[in-house]
Amino acid sequence: QKEVEQNSGPLSVPEGAIASLNCTYSDRGSQSFFWYRQYSGKSPELIMSIYSNGDKEDGRFTAQLNKASQYVSLLIRDSQPSDSATYLCAVNRSAGKSTFGDGTTLTVKP
Amino acid sequence: GAVVSQHPSWVICKSGTSVKIECRSLDFQATTMFWYRQFPKQSLMLMATSNEGSKATYEQGVEKDKFLINHASLTLSTLTVTSAHPEDSSFYICSAPSRRDEQFFGPGTRLTVL
Repeated sequence: QKEVEQNSGPLSVPEGAIASLNCTYSDRGSQSFFWYRQYSGKSPELIMSIYSNGDKEDGRFTAQLNKASQYVSLLIRDSQPSDSATYLCAVNRSAGKSTFGDGTTLTVKP
Repeated sequence: GAVVSQHPSWVICKSGTSVKIECRSLDFQATTMFWYRQFPKQSLMLMATSNEGSKATYEQGVEKDKFLINHASLTLSTLTVTSAHPEDSSFYICSAPSRRDEQFFGPGTRLTVL
């Protein structure tokens, strides 16, 4: 079992729809959870961090964390073509490291 | 967020030569930085942890003598790919963590070995 698992994708949604990205992790001791966006040919950029159970909203993005289920999700409301990218889920390890999932590629169709 | 730069953004070299990639934290001090490699359409792979003032620690399967890491100051880490071969062609990315474990990534260096 991988430490961080994401939907294999690709995920395609129409413009204006809600995109839902899911992630599960294996280490129950994990405390910090992140979503990064990576455009093709570019490096990842942080879009959301979440540290406690529940929802965290930032603009069109909502991260959800359920530590009991070891589950993290990212919802993107009113999806735009510019949201088309690969989304990486990451979970903290020791000493500042993060373990990354393989990513889910999202395509938003106009 | 914090700003991390990398130089060069791309490099083409001949097989057998060495290539140095710099990673700088521009507006904060980073005692730790991380180096990753990413092949096309594949996931991000952590190669090593760069520690200021001490030896780097390498992930399992990464050759420390091939990928030399130096972290000489609180704002600069370098990765040297020694005796590069075509199979080393990849996208190399560095990151520096915040106090809350967020990773701030450099823009990446695309290495092509001919």
